[in-house]
Amino acid sequence: AQSVSQHNHHVILSEAASLELGCNYSYGGTVNLFWYVQYPGQHLQLLLKYFSGDPLVKGIKGFEAEFIKSKFSFNLRKPSVQWSDTAEYFCAVNGGSGNTGKLIFGQGTTLQVKP
Amino acid sequence: DADVTQTPRNRITKTGKRIMLECSQTKGHDRMYWYRQDPGLGLRLIYYSFDVKDINKGEISDGYSVSRQAQAKFSLSLESAIPNQTALYFCATLGPFEGYTFGSGTRLTVV
Repeated sequence: AQSVSQHNHHVILSEAASLELGCNYSYGGTVNLFWYVQYPGQHLQLLLKYFSGDPLVKGIKGFEAEFIKSKFSFNLRKPSVQWSDTAEYFCAVNGGSGNTGKLIFGQGTTLQVKP
Repeated sequence: DADVTQTPRNRITKTGKRIMLECSQTKGHDRMYWYRQDPGLGLRLIYYSFDVKDINKGEISDGYSVSRQAQAKFSLSLESAIPNQTALYFCATLGPFEGYTFGSGTRLTVV
């Protein structure tokens, strides 16, 4: 069965620090990869996605992620975080046979940015 | 108006009560999903539907049922609510080009 693991459960950074959140998945076939953000009290919003092509994906708000197939990883990065980036971040994978569209989510990483 | 609307936004109910969470969408998408979110566990799939006649169980369907009344409506029911069903519930649609669209969520507390 597919699974997604996010290594960092709670990250605290100061403004302007660089961010990298780890995401690994366990599925050997073709996958689609996503990062979602959930601001306090709000629903999930798509930050970026990877389906195919250039493994370095750029998303909204200055975020990017790199798909490394050999490492089954899709880490999220941002060069300089802002206080407004305080939120919970979820990595998700969609793949496997049947094309059901099911998303498998990681446990989430809470990011706290100190002003 | 939101593309995916969930009602109610918040609900407190007692153990043993039946409760329905509703989801409606204006995206015109055939595929709809119900997830629950728990701290430290991320989102887990409860049920999903490809159309009104195609309902499928997700990874944690026990204790839940669903109804796809129309392409635009997908309801989640708890027949007899229990405290460990306290969670944040999200409905989502999937379109062929737009990807996933999530509703704003329903925060359910079972006391």
